[in-house]
Amino acid sequence: DVKVTQSSRYLVKRTGEKVFLECVQDMDHENMFWYRQDPGLGLRLIYFSYDVKMKEKGDIPEGYSVSREKKERFSLILESASTNQTSMYLCASSFGNQPQHFGDGTRLSIL
Amino acid sequence: QKEVEQDPGPLSVPEGAIVSLNCTYSNSAFQYFMWYRQYSRKGPELLMYTYSSGNKEDGRFTAQVDKSSKYISLFIRDSQPSDSATYLCAMSAGWGGGGADGLTFGKGTHLIIQP
Repeated sequence: DVKVTQSSRYLVKRTGEKVFLECVQDMDHENMFWYRQDPGLGLRLIYFSYDVKMKEKGDIPEGYSVSREKKERFSLILESASTNQTSMYLCASSFGNQPQHFGDGTRLSIL
Repeated sequence: QKEVEQDPGPLSVPEGAIVSLNCTYSNSAFQYFMWYRQYSRKGPELLMYTYSSGNKEDGRFTAQVDKSSKYISLFIRDSQPSDSATYLCAMSAGWGGGGADGLTFGKGTHLIIQP
């Protein structure tokens, strides 16, 4: 089975902090994705990556950056956290034209 | 116009009933169609995956795609209380959702199966 692991289930940070969300997959997938999920808005794509050191903006990249130094790890960075970034963050990975598999999410609260 | 429309529910049915969940979409370029199940406080779990039009069956689950009507459905037979969850449809034009468009999701239907 595909295993996508997000390092934290719950996280509380303060406005202005730099926040790192980590995601690791164990299936040698080349594609990795970060989404946020909000009530009434559904899942929205923030960034994705096709390969190591490659990244592409999704629908809502503002206020976020990403890092992919190793194939199995994809990090989401909130450069200066704001309260409107309080959300559920979901990481996913996929291989070629196969469907995406998701981790269990990080519920992030910015106070 | 939103790209993918999905009734948020909640949809409440008695145990053993046949459940029908649906999504409509506007982008005729979508070719890959997926259904995910999401339990409370968990990530989405892939249930069904189809390419282009037609039906696909897996146990109690059947996925249908009608590209001419831009309409997809998920049927659950002999529904169980453990099927209570939010069901998300997802679709993409590119290869499996990994392309430049990524996956476009419906907002999910909250399903409740009453024992």
